Amino acid sequence: GAVVSQHPSRVICKSGTSVKIECRSLDFQATTMFWYRQFPKQSLMLMATSNEGSKATYEQGVEKDKFLINHASLTLSTLTVTSAHPEDSSFYICSAREGGVLNIQYFGAGTRLSVL
Amino acid sequence: QKEVEQNSGPLSVPEGAIASLNCTYSDRGSQSFFWYRQYSGKSPELIMSIYSNGDKEDGRFTAQLNKASQYVSLLIRDSQPSDSATYLCAVNKGTGGFKTIFGAGTRLFVKA
Repeated sequence: GAVVSQHPSRVICKSGTSVKIECRSLDFQATTMFWYRQFPKQSLMLMATSNEGSKATYEQGVEKDKFLINHASLTLSTLTVTSAHPEDSSFYICSAREGGVLNIQYFGAGTRLSVL
Repeated sequence: QKEVEQNSGPLSVPEGAIASLNCTYSDRGSQSFFWYRQYSGKSPELIMSIYSNGDKEDGRFTAQLNKASQYVSLLIRDSQPSDSATYLCAVNKGTGGFKTIFGAGTRLFVKA
């Protein structure tokens, strides 16, 4: 299957700092990428849909000014958690959709964010 | 009614048995269906995709789709302890297939 690279895999930061997470599709072009958050023992929660060259679409309840998404190319999307606080500590996972008829989503390995 | 429904489990089966995971979906126009496996602390990994009614087999995994009943299932033959994970059912919604809806997942535990 297609490969999606996400890094860093783990981040520990102080409260108030900003953290950038990168998501790259390595062997296909992804016009659409997705950002999810998952708390321990809970389901995936879609945060936003990132479309190349346009503004991201955020799910209800997700603050767009806090979670900045940039999808500047067909292979790269970034999520920046601005002014992170302990309640933002979570597992952030990106996925990229391979187009065509199948529209399969492939996931990155995830980023575990711990805000002290 | 949730758009994609799965029993949360845990589903516990002995090693060597067949594990049967079920999923129902609400959008009759859905065309693409997927099963992902997620180990604890890891991201989901695609294990099966299915688009046509009937069965699709890949190694020990068989996906079954019944569009009339809006039902998709995953069978795991000869279950192994390493199959213990959460299995997510995903459905591309509508004829355009642009939105993927994930179920909450079923936790599977294979006892050695």
